[in-house]
Amino acid sequence: GDSVTQMEGPVTLSEEAFLTINCTYTATGYPSLFWYVQYPGEGLQLLLKATKADDKGSNKGFEATYRKETTSFHLEKGSVQVSDSAVYFCALSVSTNYQLIWGAGTKLIIKP
Amino acid sequence: SQTIHQWPATLVQPVGSPLSLECTVEGTSNPNLYWYRQAAGRGLQLLFYSVGIGQISSEVPQNLSASRPQDRQFILSSKKLLLSDSGFYLCAWSQSPDRNNEQFFGPGTRLTVL
Repeated sequence: GDSVTQMEGPVTLSEEAFLTINCTYTATGYPSLFWYVQYPGEGLQLLLKATKADDKGSNKGFEATYRKETTSFHLEKGSVQVSDSAVYFCALSVSTNYQLIWGAGTKLIIKP
Repeated sequence: SQTIHQWPATLVQPVGSPLSLECTVEGTSNPNLYWYRQAAGRGLQLLFYSVGIGQISSEVPQNLSASRPQDRQFILSSKKLLLSDSGFYLCAWSQSPDRNNEQFFGPGTRLTVL
């Protein structure tokens, strides 16, 4: 079945470091891919998305490219800030049902 | 624009007591609606989803139930809470139809069962 695998956390970085959070997927068909962010005590917010191969989603300095050949959607940011500390979820959607398939989430801790 | 509300924001209940959590969406019609639970430090577990009034699909057998009495209202209930029901409950909606199933989340309800 369809699945999403994220790198386990927590990921701890210093401020201004480069960030990569790996996400790979298994899916039949042509899924849409998402990154959501959850700040402490809050609901999830859509961070970025890509709906077809080679699309790049970007928002707030974060980027992710839909790589069909490697079935990946890795999240990157060139210079992280303390305010980026949160849990990041990778998800995919297959249009045949109403659900998103979720990764386990990766907690990111940024130290000043 | 669309907004999603959940209440209460926090709730502390004794074991064996009933539960009712409410979610409402504004600014859209005929949305798909979802209830998720997030245990402490864990990922998202889909509990229920609904594609229309009175239509509920259950993903995980448990002592929780869901209802959709109105188009934009989704209620999560229990007759008798268990300790294991503690967690962060999130309601979400998506546009119907939407090929991408992009979901929009409410602020969540923190439930502690003692």
